[in-house]
Amino acid sequence: AQTVTQSQPEMSVQEAETVTLSCTYDTSESDYYLFWYKQPPSRQMILVIRQEAYKQQNATENRFSVNFQKAAKSFSLKISDSQLGDAAMYFCAYRSSGSARQLTFGSGTQLTVLP
Amino acid sequence: ETGVTQSPTHLIKTRGQQVTLRCSSQSGHNTVSWYQQALGQGPQFIFQYYREEENGRGNFPPRFSGLQFPNYSSELNVNALELDDSALYLCASSSGLATTGTYEQYFGPGTRLTVT
Repeated sequence: AQTVTQSQPEMSVQEAETVTLSCTYDTSESDYYLFWYKQPPSRQMILVIRQEAYKQQNATENRFSVNFQKAAKSFSLKISDSQLGDAAMYFCAYRSSGSARQLTFGSGTQLTVLP
Repeated sequence: ETGVTQSPTHLIKTRGQQVTLRCSSQSGHNTVSWYQQALGQGPQFIFQYYREEENGRGNFPPRFSGLQFPNYSSELNVNALELDDSALYLCASSSGLATTGTYEQYFGPGTRLTVT
């Protein structure tokens, strides 16, 4: 079974600064997908960024980018130019490339953005 | 395009009772997954439905059951409620069921269930 570990329960960052959230995972599969989701106090889980394991290039979405290290099974999220609206719980998630769509989530990192 | 909706928003039940939670999938999506998120934890996969058939199940007992309807909306039923069933229940929909493609899951706002 796959496991996802987020070792930082809480992080804080000054507005306009950069912060990196860590995630490691364990799998015996060679093809899979990794995601970062954001869950604000409204509870709605919002997809931030995704990475296909077969792609060597790190995914980027505006101010959000990842550092995907397949051999190390590491998948960190970098948020640049942090904004107050980035404050939320962030979850790293794994999904097998098979037909089942279930996501395996980490325990989350609560990000606080300081004005 | 209509997003994923869930009802009710909040629910309070007594231990031993039964509850039904509802989810309407996003337009064009035929796969629905349900997750349980206990306070302060990440969501845990309950089960998934594709075209009205269960297509995967997590480590949850049989008293957690579901349905998917021809319009791809879905229900989660929980019998004999226990205190530990208190959680946020999230529904997510996606399109297709192929082995390729990211097929992102789009989540609803959740139903907060409290069992007393």
